[in-house]
Amino acid sequence: EVQLVESGGGLVQPGGSLRLSCAASGFTFSSYWMSWVRQAPGKGLEWVANIKQDGSEKYYVDSVKGRFTISRDNAKNSLYLQMNSLRAEDTAVYYCARVKLSYDILTGYISYFDYWGQGTLVTVSS
Amino acid sequence: DIQMTQSPSSLSASVGDRVTITCRASQSISSYLNWYQQKPGKAPKLLIYAASSLQSGVPSRFSGSGSGTDFTLTISSLQPEDFATYYCQQSYSNPRTFGQGTKLEIK
Repeated sequence: EVQLVESGGGLVQPGGSLRLSCAASGFTFSSYWMSWVRQAPGKGLEWVANIKQDGSEKYYVDSVKGRFTISRDNAKNSLYLQMNSLRAEDTAVYYCARVKLSYDILTGYISYFDYWGQGTLVTVSS
Repeated sequence: DIQMTQSPSSLSASVGDRVTITCRASQSISSYLNWYQQKPGKAPKLLIYAASSLQSGVPSRFSGSGSGTDFTLTISSLQPEDFATYYCQQSYSNPRTFGQGTKLEIK
């Protein structure tokens, strides 16, 4: 059974730092892209970052570039999100999600988030 | 960035109704469109990928269609467990973007 379990959330002051972790099990972690997706209280979903299987490619939403760093440790089946210079608008539930790639003869490879963790709440407030 | 716009933002319907939710992309995304369901306090759940492919384990009353810029999610006969918020998401390019969500409520 695929499981993704986030941890590391909490209350932090503006300008502070936090490191989120996601422990993966039930699948070959090193074979999948992984992502972080967040959801501010009462709001919609926002993709935050992606990382390739070997960590060689990383992509971020503009609002976190230069402040957040996604990383992974395939030996530990773990995904991380280092968040620095936190702002009030970073307050959200942060989800770890597995990225599945499927091949279609007409469109090529399409990606989607097929498994999600339960989320961890990050609150940025003084 | 590709903007995803869902309509309506909220919808009231009854058990047994047929419901359609629309998602429009700000530029063509071919069939790179996915649909998720989210219940309060829970993580999103994948329903449909590649515009029309049903994720394993998802009931067949859910279906998706469309390509290019216009997409629809249809629930053929609403069940009590379907009352939730639905999101579309494009995977054509980074940043991946979601629609604002459609909240489906009981009439």
